[in-house]
Amino acid sequence: GAVVSQHPSRVICKSGTSVKIECRSLDFQATTMFWYRQFPKKSLMLMATSNEGSKATYEQGVEKDKFLINHASLTLSTLTVTSAHPEDSSFYICSARGQGRVGYEQYFGPGTRLTVT
Amino acid sequence: KQEVTQIPAALSVPEGENLVLNCSFTDSAIYNLQWFRQDPGKGLTSLLLIQSSQREQTSGRLNASLDKSSGRSTLYIAASQPGDSATYLCAVLNTGNQFYFGTGTSLTVIP
Repeated sequence: GAVVSQHPSRVICKSGTSVKIECRSLDFQATTMFWYRQFPKKSLMLMATSNEGSKATYEQGVEKDKFLINHASLTLSTLTVTSAHPEDSSFYICSARGQGRVGYEQYFGPGTRLTVT
Repeated sequence: KQEVTQIPAALSVPEGENLVLNCSFTDSAIYNLQWFRQDPGKGLTSLLLIQSSQREQTSGRLNASLDKSSGRSTLYIAASQPGDSATYLCAVLNTGNQFYFGTGTSLTVIP
């Protein structure tokens, strides 16, 4: 199946700093990428949807100025958490959906554990 | 808005038992439904994908069914093993291209 990677897998940062998380589709072109957030023992919450070359669409309640999403190429999307605070600590997962061979199935990255101290 | 619910929230069974996990969704206008497995602190592993026109999919000891009109899906696990212990999530892809996750079922298989 198709592979999606995330980097870093874990990151610890201090309050007030910014953190960038990368999501890459390794063997297919991802026309759409999704970013999710997962709180402990909770399900995944969709944060935003991004299509290559256009602005991301954010879900209600998600601050677009705080969670900057860039989908500059068909294989890379980035999520930048700006001016991070402890309440931003969470597990962030991206997924990618391509076209052609991979159809409408979504492929998920392994996740990034963010801890803000 | 689509709401996806999974019952039970947690399940504990002895090794070897067959079990069923349930998923229900409120809006039947879906493209497909997927079942995932998530191990603690890890990402998601796709188990089965059922297109909206299909009734079921099978992979090894797993069988997933879909009744779109009633908004229900089940994941059947045969002859459960301790390695099956994980959280199982179902998710639906709406015709509006949005993906909604269920609340998850935490499964523990006791040796």
